[in-house]
Amino acid sequence: SAVISQKPSRDICQRGTSLTIQCQVDSQVTMMFWYRQQPGQSLTLIATANQGSEATYESGFVIDKFPISRPNLTFSTLTVSNMSPEDSSIYLCSVATRDSLFYEQYFGPGTRLTVT
Amino acid sequence: GDSVTQMEGPVTLSEEAFLTINCTYTATGYPSLFWYVQYPGEGLQLLLKATKADDKGSNKGFEATYRKETTSFHLEKGSVQVSDSAVYFCALSASHRLAFGKGNQVVVIP
Repeated sequence: SAVISQKPSRDICQRGTSLTIQCQVDSQVTMMFWYRQQPGQSLTLIATANQGSEATYESGFVIDKFPISRPNLTFSTLTVSNMSPEDSSIYLCSVATRDSLFYEQYFGPGTRLTVT
Repeated sequence: GDSVTQMEGPVTLSEEAFLTINCTYTATGYPSLFWYVQYPGEGLQLLLKATKADDKGSNKGFEATYRKETTSFHLEKGSVQVSDSAVYFCALSASHRLAFGKGNQVVVIP
């Protein structure tokens, strides 16, 4: 399994501002994903971060609100733009290793975001 | 589309009791099935997995068997400990996407 770190671990932000979350993996991985976990809810996939190309967004999520970068095989960022209190969630990065052909994912510790 | 259904509500039980959390799924094709655990204040950890029918995943005393005929993947543990208190998520993957159930909070009382 890969070791995944996220920065920041938590933040409190004012509405209308933006926050960029970083995800770092200790080994090269084929695919990286970003999830949102709203309070008391399950996880929802935001997008797949593709290395060298634009991210693939799930229904209900758009690039203008959640721009994603993936400059190499070990790093990705997710920006939450123009935040509102409804964006208060835990944001998780996950990775799929080369051997697993995408069917097995490991998660970072998450970033707990509170928007006031 | 692919989906996972977990039994409703939190689960509260005494130490050394038997734990069962029900999980059923709907999927096209032949998905892989997973249980993830989220301890208080921590991220998700993969607890166990099964990749084909009749496979049994096991870890830390937990077990789940991939039942294609009943489209189920129920999680069981014979004797829970206070340290098993966490939220448990059932998930499936038929491609690169993971579909999660709503999760069940398990509280083990000493």
